[in-house]
Amino acid sequence: NAGVMQNPRHLVRRRGQEARLRCSPMKGHSHVYWYRQLPEEGLKFMVYLQKENIIDESGMPKERFSAEFPKEGPSILRIQQVVRGDSAAYFCASSWGAEQYFGPGTRLTVT
Amino acid sequence: RKEVEQDPGPFNVPEGATVAFNCTYSNSASQSFFWYRQDCRKEPKLLMSVYSSGNEDGRFTAQLNRASQYISLLIRDSKLSDSATYLCVVYGSSNTGKLIFGQGTTLQVKP
Repeated sequence: NAGVMQNPRHLVRRRGQEARLRCSPMKGHSHVYWYRQLPEEGLKFMVYLQKENIIDESGMPKERFSAEFPKEGPSILRIQQVVRGDSAAYFCASSWGAEQYFGPGTRLTVT
Repeated sequence: RKEVEQDPGPFNVPEGATVAFNCTYSNSASQSFFWYRQDCRKEPKLLMSVYSSGNEDGRFTAQLNRASQYISLLIRDSKLSDSATYLCVVYGSSNTGKLIFGQGTTLQVKP
């Protein structure tokens, strides 16, 4: 059973570009979560999605960030017009019940 | 006050030692609790869920004290491979899937 998959693993963007991060949950998991870990900080919740629904986006910045989990295909976290402060590790997790399992993360560097 | 607080350490212990980590949480309505392990800022890996009755998995024992809003993790007979950051994690009060992470406690086991 493959684990949570994320790609790309590393992403470099210039300021003002768009970043698209993808996450495929574990087989059988219908819940997807995105977390961000800034350098030298702990993990912070961003958004919780089920297929075609955003359940909780209380941790998403108000501007430039969006997430989706379409009926077909992976979940996408999109960051528009990236700034240096967006440089971080972005982790996706999936669950069937209470326990969440994390993917390897995407390390975003904004130059 | 942080929602989940941990002593950041580092804890430097010799192989074979017993070490205990503590964690407090602020929201008395929280229902689910976990310990995760994170190596070198890779993805967090679920170590164990924490139940009210306490639970044990090999050399690891977790306990929960709801009255004091306190969670602990005990590691017996430490191995070099136990060196990592241990994250105390609590579900948000609404149980919408939002995990709240402590800053982590760093353990270094030395030969």
